[in-house]
Amino acid sequence: GIQVEQSPPDLILQEGANSTLRCNFSDSVNNLQWFHQNPWGQLINLFYIPSGTKQNGRLSATTVATERYSLLYISSSQTTDSGVYFCAVVWGSQGNLIFGKGTKLSVKP
Amino acid sequence: KAGVTQTPRYLIKTRGQQVTLSCSPISGHRSVSWYQQTPGQGLQFLFEYFSETQRNKGNFPGRFSGRQFSNSRSEMNVSTLELGDSALYLCASSLEGNEQYFGPGTRLTVT
Repeated sequence: GIQVEQSPPDLILQEGANSTLRCNFSDSVNNLQWFHQNPWGQLINLFYIPSGTKQNGRLSATTVATERYSLLYISSSQTTDSGVYFCAVVWGSQGNLIFGKGTKLSVKP
Repeated sequence: KAGVTQTPRYLIKTRGQQVTLSCSPISGHRSVSWYQQTPGQGLQFLFEYFSETQRNKGNFPGRFSGRQFSNSRSEMNVSTLELGDSALYLCASSLEGNEQYFGPGTRLTVT
């Protein structure tokens, strides 16, 4: 099956810093989503981005499908950005999401 | 539009019991998927329902089952609970299997 790898696994930042989270996948994918899991466990949609670049406020994402990776950029980080960020892909004929293990982000005041 | 809702939010059960979790998708969404999240295994796909039919299934034992009703609401059932079934169960809905939106989850503890 496909492998989805996220890096780094853990990231500690000072408030105001910028960061880049990476998601590598081992095969061509149909869809790709980025999520932020809040402290109560809910997955919040950040981007639906099978290819190209999107921006939403301080967050942006780029997926280079031909090179099998996606990047999530967080600028001017805030303490409320803390949590776990997941990349998930849809692969082959299956419609389900396959998740990476996540990047745990801690933003310190 | 209201988001995906799941009930109950928290549940404590004893080994050997069974449990039913409920999920109401976003209005108009016909696809409902279920995922299990544990610290050891991460987020894993359980099954997907579309128009009352199971369209896709993950690698879980037969104790895990589900169904979907004509209004797209879905339930999942776990029989003969084991300690290892303690997890956060997440439901997601989508229009036609594209962008998925998740509910708040049901946190199940098996003692």
